[in-house]
Amino acid sequence: DIQVTQSPSSLSASVGVRVTITCRASEGIVSTYLNWYQQKPGKAPKLLIYGASSLQSGVPSRFSGSGSGTDFTLTISSLQPEDSATYYCQQSYNIPRTFGQGTKLEIK
Amino acid sequence: QVRLQESGPGLVKPSETLSLTCTVSGGSISDYYYNWIRQPPGKGLEYIGSIYYNGITNYNPSLESRATTSVDTSKNQFSLKLSSVTSADTAVYYCARAAISGSKRDAFDIWGQGTMVTVSS
Repeated sequence: DIQVTQSPSSLSASVGVRVTITCRASEGIVSTYLNWYQQKPGKAPKLLIYGASSLQSGVPSRFSGSGSGTDFTLTISSLQPEDSATYYCQQSYNIPRTFGQGTKLEIK
Repeated sequence: QVRLQESGPGLVKPSETLSLTCTVSGGSISDYYYNWIRQPPGKGLEYIGSIYYNGITNYNPSLESRATTSVDTSKNQFSLKLSSVTSADTAVYYCARAAISGSKRDAFDIWGQGTMVTVSS
């Protein structure tokens, strides 16, 4: 299985700042088969970024993704109160699909 | 607008079989495949398996011996059976859609709301 490791596991940031979450695939490369999801308490995950850098329809443009191969980044350019959530990366390069352990983002 | 809805018992006894159904409404199922993903309370997401409309399946090796997925195209429904359950199978179970081709291929773009399944006697 391809292990996907996120960092940090949690962070706290103020409204308006730039936030970056990283994701690393453990072996080989996943090309750009890397997706990012946002999950709020009691809700299903929501797709934010697919193919490492493509913004899902309806997602605010302050969210962006980058990277290829083994190292990927999710960036929120100007943090908003509604961005408080847990964020997961996920590789779709092979089976089994695997998720990062999650990054819990808190607004100060 | 496409919607996915999971259904099934919320309580299953240890050693028995968990059975869930995902109903797809508002769109065609043929350009997509459907996935089962679970999340134990307070923990992360775990992929269980996938099924295409033509019945082709993939499973997480860690669950393959106990998981079975099936499709009923006449009802736009997909099902999951997980046998010999234990308390470790207590989780919210989600179904999620993924495109077979195109730029969004293999990303889980639409999810059901999830259904909580507790394994307990």
